[in-house]
Amino acid sequence: AQTVTQSQPEMSVQEAETVTLSCTYDTSESNYYLFWYKQPPSRQMILVIRQEAYKQQNATENRFSVNFQKAAKSFSLKISDSQLGDTAMYFCAFMGEKGGSEKLVFGKGMKLTVNP
Amino acid sequence: DGGITQSPKYLFRKEGQNVTLSCEQNLNHDAMYWYRQDPGQGLRLIYYSQIVNDFQKGDIAEGYSVSREKKESFPLTVTSAQKNPTAFYLCASSIVTGHLHGYTFGSGTRLTVV
Repeated sequence: AQTVTQSQPEMSVQEAETVTLSCTYDTSESNYYLFWYKQPPSRQMILVIRQEAYKQQNATENRFSVNFQKAAKSFSLKISDSQLGDTAMYFCAFMGEKGGSEKLVFGKGMKLTVNP
Repeated sequence: DGGITQSPKYLFRKEGQNVTLSCEQNLNHDAMYWYRQDPGQGLRLIYYSQIVNDFQKGDIAEGYSVSREKKESFPLTVTSAQKNPTAFYLCASSIVTGHLHGYTFGSGTRLTVV
């Protein structure tokens, strides 16, 4: 079974600084999909960014980018120019392609606080 | 606007009672999912359904039941057999090829046993 590990339960950063959230995963599949979700205090889950394992280019969405290292099974999220609205729980998630694994598997999450 | 509606937002249950959490979507998504969120545990899959009248158990299905009689609706019943039901419950939906766009989530239901 696939597993997703977020080893840092909590981080804080100053507004306008850059922060990196780490995520590792374990799978025997060769093609899969990785996601970062954000859950602000409202508890609404919001998709931040998505990466396809067969694409070598790292995904980017405005201030959010990933560092995808397939061999190391690592998928970190970089937030540039942190804003107060980035304060949230962040979840890394994995989805496989093979039968039975096409469901999102989440890590335990990391609480990010952006300080003014 | 298309989206997922979960109701109620807060639900209180007495021990020994069954309760049903509602999840409705108007996104025309084929697949729907129920996750449970506990502090420090992330989101864990309870049940999912990829087509009407069919559903599969997730990782923590014991003490829960679901139905999928309509494409738009995927209610979750928390039965008295669920030993620790107090949690935040999230419903989600996706197109069948969920890897293309990820899931769309509802705003959740907070269930408390009193």
